[in-house]
Amino acid sequence: EIVLTQSPTTMAASPGEKVTITCRASSSVSYMHWFQQKSGTSPKPWIYDTSKLASGVPDRFSGSGSGTSYSLTISSMEAEDAATYYCLQRSSYPLTFGSGTKLEIK
Amino acid sequence: QVQLQQSGTELVKPASSVKISCKASGYTFTSNYMHWIRQQPGNGLEWIGWIYPGNGNTKYNQKFDGKATLTADKSSSTAYMQLSSLTSEDSAVYFCARDGSPFAYWGQGTLVTVSS
Repeated sequence: EIVLTQSPTTMAASPGEKVTITCRASSSVSYMHWFQQKSGTSPKPWIYDTSKLASGVPDRFSGSGSGTSYSLTISSMEAEDAATYYCLQRSSYPLTFGSGTKLEIK
Repeated sequence: QVQLQQSGTELVKPASSVKISCKASGYTFTSNYMHWIRQQPGNGLEWIGWIYPGNGNTKYNQKFDGKATLTADKSSSTAYMQLSSLTSEDSAVYFCARDGSPFAYWGQGTLVTVSS
């Protein structure tokens, strides 16, 4: 099983601040996918195939990485970005998610 | 538009079983994999498995072998997940999610609470 380790677990950012969330895989994966979840709602697809933004995702978000190290970056934090973000690998079974990064607004 | 409508909250007793549903609309049900994902209270997401409604093929996370059984009814465009031998550990929100870049569409989730 590929274990995905996200960091940080929680963080708070000020409006306008740059934010980077990292997802490290225990073995190499071909792509990483990201989801955003707000309290009491279903996760939403956010970034797929490492760097492609899902429909409706603001372009202040970006994704990058390869092999065992991937990241999600927000160029300028906004209040609406406060949420929990999960990474997902589907390169091998079982599909696995990271444990999540809770991002709060300062 | 694609919609996945899940069945409502379940309160069930330990050692019993429960079957939750996910009714799909807005696309060809038989042409896309349907996944199921668990989220325990305050925890992250766990992939349970998928079913391909076109032929009934399934793939499970080994962790859920014997716990979850996935089926699909083509006539009603509904996917089902039965959970058996329930314990408090199975208390969680369960989501269905249609495949596509990936998990492009999600149901609203079904809360299952196991309590005597």
